[in-house]
Amino acid sequence: AQTVTQSQPEMSVQEAETVTLSCTYDTSESNYYLFWYKQPPSRQMILVIRQEAYKQQNATENRFSVNFQKAAKSFSLKISDSQLGDTAMYFCAFMRQGAQKLVFGQGTRLTINP
Amino acid sequence: DTGVSQDPRHKITKRGQNVTFRCDPISEHNRLYWYRQTLGQGPEFLTYFQNEAQLEKSRLLSDRFSAERPKGSFSTLEIQRTEQGDSAMYLCASSSRLYRGRETGELFFGEGSRLTVL
Repeated sequence: AQTVTQSQPEMSVQEAETVTLSCTYDTSESNYYLFWYKQPPSRQMILVIRQEAYKQQNATENRFSVNFQKAAKSFSLKISDSQLGDTAMYFCAFMRQGAQKLVFGQGTRLTINP
Repeated sequence: DTGVSQDPRHKITKRGQNVTFRCDPISEHNRLYWYRQTLGQGPEFLTYFQNEAQLEKSRLLSDRFSAERPKGSFSTLEIQRTEQGDSAMYLCASSSRLYRGRETGELFFGEGSRLTVL
């Protein structure tokens, strides 16, 4: 069974700073997807960024980028120039290729302070 | 169609009562999922439909839980004889198999239905 671990329950930074959220996972699979989802207070969860395990290049989406270390089974999220709207719970998630089940970590509550 | 919608958003019930949640997915999505999220935790997979077929169920889904997706459109999740341990946010998500010809694995979530069992 796959597991996803987020070791930082809460983080807080000042607006415009850069912050990195950590995620490690455990799997014996070779082909899979990794995701970071954002869940703002009282709003639906939305996809922030996605990485295919077969790609060596780290995914980027505007201010969001990942550091994917396949051998170490590590998948961290970097948010540059943080904004107040980035305040949310962030969940790391794993999906085996061909499967339909997302396995989520426990989440990191990120607060961006003005 | 602006996204996945869930109803009701909040439900308070007494232990032993039955409750039903409805999910309307994004119209062109043929895959539909139910997840449960307890306070301070990540969502846990409950079940998955492709069109009207329920293809996978978690062991978390006890016999008091039943999900349906008639005609492959909206879905309902019913909990019979509710227990206090059922108190949680029930999330629905949908996806399509392919995006630009490739499997994406991206799920689109609704805002959830929060259940409180007294």
